[in-house]
Amino acid sequence: GAGVSQSPRYKVAKRGQDVALRCDPISGHVSLFWYQQALGQGPEFLTYFQNEAQLDKSGLPSDRFFAERPEGSVSTLKIQRTQQEDSAVYLCASSGEGTAYGYTFGSGTRLTVV
Amino acid sequence: AQSVSQHNHHVILSEAASLELGCNYSYGGTVNLFWYVQYPGQHLQLLLKYFSGDPLVKGIKGFEAEFIKSKFSFNLRKPSVQWSDTAEYFCAGLYNNNDMRFGAGTRLTVKP
Repeated sequence: GAGVSQSPRYKVAKRGQDVALRCDPISGHVSLFWYQQALGQGPEFLTYFQNEAQLDKSGLPSDRFFAERPEGSVSTLKIQRTQQEDSAVYLCASSGEGTAYGYTFGSGTRLTVV
Repeated sequence: AQSVSQHNHHVILSEAASLELGCNYSYGGTVNLFWYVQYPGQHLQLLLKYFSGDPLVKGIKGFEAEFIKSKFSFNLRKPSVQWSDTAEYFCAGLYNNNDMRFGAGTRLTVKP
């Protein structure tokens, strides 16, 4: 597609509920990144894929967070047993060959846990 | 750990004023530097980037940034701001080609 698409745009979850956030990167982009942006903060790295391989998941805050990209294109970030501190905007970014050229970001999913 | 810091949390300017937003990055081998802008309700957009060469980088919408290696700085500038520049600005450093670190952001408000 023309840009990085994320869905849903907004998600309200009850505490303890599981959620799944989807990212459609730019077609052909090899690298895909997930970031968490809390209110008033800059994006914080969560995890990174190169094609279907998850090369870095050091930023995932707990084992309740899980990400996958099974076919090297669409990615899903899953949060199990959501907690209030999970409330944030979750950003997805993709990059073609040579991530040094910068990332293209999606509009994000705003997750609110109540 | 690698980090990027932005000095100003919120900057308020009048139209036509000059802008300079501070950014410092930690040393970490190969670093590429970026400035992103986020307009209200929109996604992050790339303003400009520095890899190597001329330390004065020109970006879109009249923005520029200067890479000063000795100061580990990459400050963003614009000679004359407009009301439409009201947004959040993020400095970022890409370490070792796959580790992008963002500053906390600076909110710019331009009064008409």
